[in-house]
Amino acid sequence: DAGVTQSPTHLIKTRGQHVTLRCSPISGHKSVSWYQQVLGQGPQFIFQYYEKEERGRGNFPDRFSARQFPNYSSELNVNALLLGDSALYLCASSPIGAGENTEAFFGQGTRLTVV
Amino acid sequence: SQQGEEDPQALSIQEGENATMNCSYKTSINNLQWYRQNSGRGLVHLILIRSNEREKHSGRLRVTLDTSKKSSSLLITASRAADTASYFCATKRGAQKLVFGQGTRLTINP
Repeated sequence: DAGVTQSPTHLIKTRGQHVTLRCSPISGHKSVSWYQQVLGQGPQFIFQYYEKEERGRGNFPDRFSARQFPNYSSELNVNALLLGDSALYLCASSPIGAGENTEAFFGQGTRLTVV
Repeated sequence: SQQGEEDPQALSIQEGENATMNCSYKTSINNLQWYRQNSGRGLVHLILIRSNEREKHSGRLRVTLDTSKKSSSLLITASRAADTASYFCATKRGAQKLVFGQGTRLTINP
């Protein structure tokens, strides 16, 4: 079975531009979460979607938005990019959105560089 | 904000030795999970320990949890070069998000 897939793997954008990152969860998983990992730090929670509804949001500005599609894939959008948005963006899927004791399966991430 | 803090931030040992990493957290939790990350890529889930468990084993990994001290440790026995990676603890409170620490960079020297 395919794991969590993210695209693109690398991306270079200019300040002020907009970016869309994509994630396909493991087949059968209905929950998708997004994390931002700045170099040298642990991942920070951005969003969680379950059954196409936003179920949680981290401490990120409104420039960050996301959505989940009927096939449970997800997009993360970032507007008006800043240099500080340069990071590894990780997508994780889980089989149960409301479950507490479930592990998250992570994709390989999208490395975003803002210049 | 980071919930957990790993200690040490970096650890370098010889192949075959045991590696111990510690994690402290601040709030009550449902479970604590350990993940491995190779070369800044995706995270791989290693082990989940629930708040009512005290110790858990998986192969060469042993995790302990002390909820009274809000701390956990990850022990990797008989380390191998392939264990070189960053290790993160993450706590889960409620159903939504994982809160990660800043990680321990483990280097196994041949």
